[in-house]
Amino acid sequence: AQSVSQHNHHVILSEAASLELGCNYSYGGTVNLFWYVQYPGQHLQLLLKYFSGDPLVKGIKGFEAEFIKSKFSFNLRKPSVQWSDTAEYFCAVGRGGGSQGNLIFGKGTKLSVKP
Amino acid sequence: EPEVTQTPSHQVTQMGQEVILRCVPISNHLYFYWYRQILGQKVEFLVSFYNNEISEKSEIFDDQFSVERPDGSNFTLKIRSTKLEDSAMYFCASRGGSSYNSPLHFGNGTRLTVT
Repeated sequence: AQSVSQHNHHVILSEAASLELGCNYSYGGTVNLFWYVQYPGQHLQLLLKYFSGDPLVKGIKGFEAEFIKSKFSFNLRKPSVQWSDTAEYFCAVGRGGGSQGNLIFGKGTKLSVKP
Repeated sequence: EPEVTQTPSHQVTQMGQEVILRCVPISNHLYFYWYRQILGQKVEFLVSFYNNEISEKSEIFDDQFSVERPDGSNFTLKIRSTKLEDSAMYFCASRGGSSYNSPLHFGNGTRLTVT
């Protein structure tokens, strides 16, 4: 069965620090990979996605993620976080080739950025 | 930017009662989804809906659950006889059908509390 692991439950950083949130998945076939963000009191929003092609994908607000197939990983990075990045971040995996909406989510990582 | 809207934002119900959670997907979208997130746990896929029928459902989506698109705009999730463990945040999502790469758009969620 597919599963998604996010290694950190809560990350606390100061502004301008660099961020890396880990995400590993288990699925043997072709996958589509996503990072969603949920700001306090708001809905889930897509940060970035990977379907195929360049494994380094860039998303909104300066975020990027790298798909490393051999490690089954899709870590999220940002070189310099801001206070406004305080949110919960969810990694999600979908089966490639269809059923794109049936996503398996990780448990989420709460990011707190101190001003 | 068009949004997925969900009502109510918070629903409290007694165990054994029926509840209907309502969603208005983005108007030109064709694929509709329900997810739920039990407090402190991961976002879980419940069901996907396309062309007026369920296209995929998870193990969670048992006979107590049903979905309906009663008119051209609403997409509802019904729980026939609620249990305490149904308490969760329920998210509706929709996706346009024009592109395989089109992302999910989530609503703000309905918090269901079963007492």
